[in-house]
Amino acid sequence: SQQGEEDPQALSIQEGENATMNCSYKTSINNLQWYRQNSGRGLVHLILIRSNEREKHSGRLRVTLDTSKKSSSLLITASRAADTASYFCALTSGTYKYIFGTGTRLKVLA
Amino acid sequence: SQTIHQWPATLVQPVGSPLSLECTVEGTSNPNLYWYRQAAGRGLQLLFYSVGIGQISSEVPQNLSASRPQDRQFILSSKKLLLSDSGFYLCAWSVRDRGYFGEGSWLTVV
Repeated sequence: SQQGEEDPQALSIQEGENATMNCSYKTSINNLQWYRQNSGRGLVHLILIRSNEREKHSGRLRVTLDTSKKSSSLLITASRAADTASYFCALTSGTYKYIFGTGTRLKVLA
Repeated sequence: SQTIHQWPATLVQPVGSPLSLECTVEGTSNPNLYWYRQAAGRGLQLLFYSVGIGQISSEVPQNLSASRPQDRQFILSSKKLLLSDSGFYLCAWSVRDRGYFGEGSWLTVV
């Protein structure tokens, strides 16, 4: 299956700590994206990393991609209570389809 | 700027009744369009995607159908809803790899 698998499924941390989420997949990809979803809302695009890139930064977000291991990680530094949400990775691999993983539910405790 | 509108936001429908969810995109041309379903606390399941008017690809065989009567309009339909059709439905569009999501429609089949 092309579906990404996020790990862990749920993560609870204290405000100010860093949060790391991982995404593994099975096929070759064109790019990998991370999205955020607040409860009961639509998804918001966070960051895109292409298959020829290894690391990207956006504010407090850092994404890495290891195509040899078919995995990506999303690091949120200095987390805030407002970062509480579900985070999904999405793959595109030669088609127009976005295949989403199962998500990581992050809870940041104030 | 590009925007996406999805409606209705919530609806409660009896089993066996028809369904129509509509999504329109503004500010872009010839977008790829998508319908996803998300069960409570779960990941996103791709239902349909479209790369052009009248071009619909179905990912999951079920009693749902999709249509794209205009370039920036995507409709999700059912002739007879099942209890299992309950969930959170998300419309999305993409141009040049990045995806943009609507706010979703909550469907409860009773």
